[in-house]
Amino acid sequence: EPEVTQTPSHQVTQMGQEVILRCVPISNHLYFYWYRQILGQKVEFLVSFYNNEISEKSEIFDDQFSVERPDGSNFTLKIRSTKLEDSAMYFCASTKGGGSRNEQFFGPGTRLTVL
Amino acid sequence: ILNVEQSPQSLHVQEGDSTNFTCSFPSSNFYALHWYRWETAKSPEALFVMTLNGDEKKKGRISATLNTKEGYSYLYIKGSQPEDSATYLCAFLDSNYQLIWGAGTKLIIKP
Repeated sequence: EPEVTQTPSHQVTQMGQEVILRCVPISNHLYFYWYRQILGQKVEFLVSFYNNEISEKSEIFDDQFSVERPDGSNFTLKIRSTKLEDSAMYFCASTKGGGSRNEQFFGPGTRLTVL
Repeated sequence: ILNVEQSPQSLHVQEGDSTNFTCSFPSSNFYALHWYRWETAKSPEALFVMTLNGDEKKKGRISATLNTKEGYSYLYIKGSQPEDSATYLCAFLDSNYQLIWGAGTKLIIKP
């Protein structure tokens, strides 16, 4: 059964460094999402992506964040200059069509630790 | 600020018993309500996406109802099994097409 994959599973970085979190959505899916969950808090929406551009983004998704689909299979989240408060689990999700009215398929997450 | 509330926060249920829990969400500008099941160390898994008032959906022993006018959804599990132990998350799709998540109900099934 196809699934969403994410790499790495755990990333440790120093404050101020850039990180790129990678996701491979399910191959025939068209909508892609990033979410994060800070330890002990709710899951938070970051951004949705469709047709090679951002369709929605939350207030969290400021200029430090960017997303890209560089090669038709990978979907990446870049954090330019990480802060301590960026430490969280980051989940990628994808859906086939209909945007957020359809069920989303989640990857296993990347745990980002900023020191 | 839109808020999605789930109750209870955690629940211990004896194996074989049935149970239910609640998701409350804003009753205006409703687009969709998602339910996900999230086992520890795994990805959240979609259970239902509900869009119409009065919707009832079922997947095996798990079912859900939706009341958009009063802003709540119930998730029911019939005859709980140990494999049902997980955190059950609901998420409300707002008018900006962003999913606003509840904090989840952690369900523990006691054998």
